[in-house]
Amino acid sequence: EVQLVESGGAFLQPGGSLRLSCAASGFTFGNFVMAWVRQAPGKGLEWVSGISDNGGSTYYAASVQGRFTVSRDNTKNTLFLQMNNVRDEDTAVYYCAKTNSGLSVESAMEVGLGDWGQGTLVTVSS
Amino acid sequence: QSVLTQPPSVSEVPGQRVTISCSGSRSNIGQHAVNWFQQLPGKAPRLLIFYNDLPASGVTGRFSGSKIGTSASLVISELQSEDEAEYYCSAWDDRLNVVVFGGGTKVTVL
Repeated sequence: EVQLVESGGAFLQPGGSLRLSCAASGFTFGNFVMAWVRQAPGKGLEWVSGISDNGGSTYYAASVQGRFTVSRDNTKNTLFLQMNNVRDEDTAVYYCAKTNSGLSVESAMEVGLGDWGQGTLVTVSS
Repeated sequence: QSVLTQPPSVSEVPGQRVTISCSGSRSNIGQHAVNWFQQLPGKAPRLLIFYNDLPASGVTGRFSGSKIGTSASLVISELQSEDEAEYYCSAWDDRLNVVVFGGGTKVTVL
């Protein structure tokens, strides 16, 4: 059974930094494209970032480009999201999600985000 | 303002059918497959339909998807109370190089 468990969510002030982790199990982690999706309180879904199966290709939403960095450790079956210079508008539940493909990030996203974690809450406020 | 446009809400009585539309442009739906997600209150999203019209694993046949041009639709047949949820469409966008989501449609079973 696929399991994705996010951790690292916290309350922090604007300008601060945080690293989220997503521990994966139940599948061969290094074979699949992964993504982070967030949801602000009472709002819709926003795709944050995607990373290829070997970590060689990464994509970011314009709202986080230059501040967030996605990475993965395939030896530890873990996905990361380093969040720097956070803003109030970064407040959200952050979900880790697995695609059903190990192709390019673009192609994998077409096949869909088939498995999701339970999410971890990040609150940014002064 | 979401890149993909969905109606904010739809409602219908049990047993009937609802259709949720998702309108995009050539750079997203026009060029790429559409996925649909269901999000129950307080839960993580769940993939319902991928690649425009393929049901995800474990999804009942009451959910179906379609795409024509730059628009897509999700149909829920034989509506049941457990279908009350928020529904989102998504697609890759060539111009933005990201996945774009619709704003979500709240389905209410009357």
